[in-house]
Amino acid sequence: NAGVTQTPKFQVLKTGQSMTLQCAQDMNHEYMSWYRQDPGMGLRLIHYSVGAGITDQGEVPNGYNVSRSTTEDFPLRLLSAAPSQTSVYFCASNKQGSTEAFFGQGTRLTVV
Amino acid sequence: GQQVMQIPQYQHVQEGEDFTTYCNSSTTLSNIQWYKQRPGGHPVFLIQLVKSGEVKKQKRLTFQFGEAKKNSSLHITATQTTDVGTYFCAGRSSNTGKLIFGQGTTLQVKP
Repeated sequence: NAGVTQTPKFQVLKTGQSMTLQCAQDMNHEYMSWYRQDPGMGLRLIHYSVGAGITDQGEVPNGYNVSRSTTEDFPLRLLSAAPSQTSVYFCASNKQGSTEAFFGQGTRLTVV
Repeated sequence: GQQVMQIPQYQHVQEGEDFTTYCNSSTTLSNIQWYKQRPGGHPVFLIQLVKSGEVKKQKRLTFQFGEAKKNSSLHITATQTTDVGTYFCAGRSSNTGKLIFGQGTTLQVKP
């Protein structure tokens, strides 16, 4: 039981490049979310999903796309990377109606 | 939209001193959760409070949920160096299921 797995752990992109951050969970959780963490800003919700085929925007969705074709996977796509997207990205999952959210180890992204 | 504010942003204490962080929501919450993030790590769930006025304890940590279910606090008695990290509160919307985090309080403990 690996929990929530994020890849890659580190990534450097050039402005304008696109990439996908991967997130997978093996706990059969219905809810999955993506957060970005910036100094002094806490964890801000980018997108979330309450089940396969259902996604919705969080607080800071611009510049990011998501899809949820399976219960296990919730990839985050950066369409055209900008320096403002330099951040640490966390994926989280939790069971519907449950309490705790389980977080992945994070992806540290730098856009130059 | 739902906003969760947390103060203070930083707190430096001497080992053995007490520490408190406060969390306020712009809307009534169905529950409030607390997480701890060690430096370089990921957030780890500590506890959830659900009932109005609820108080829960975990060893030296005391968590409170306000009567109006719009504020909460975490109090650490006699801090230790192992308490170092950032403490986040998070409110879950009963309508959408979204979990919204406060900005966090970073605790430094001087030995």
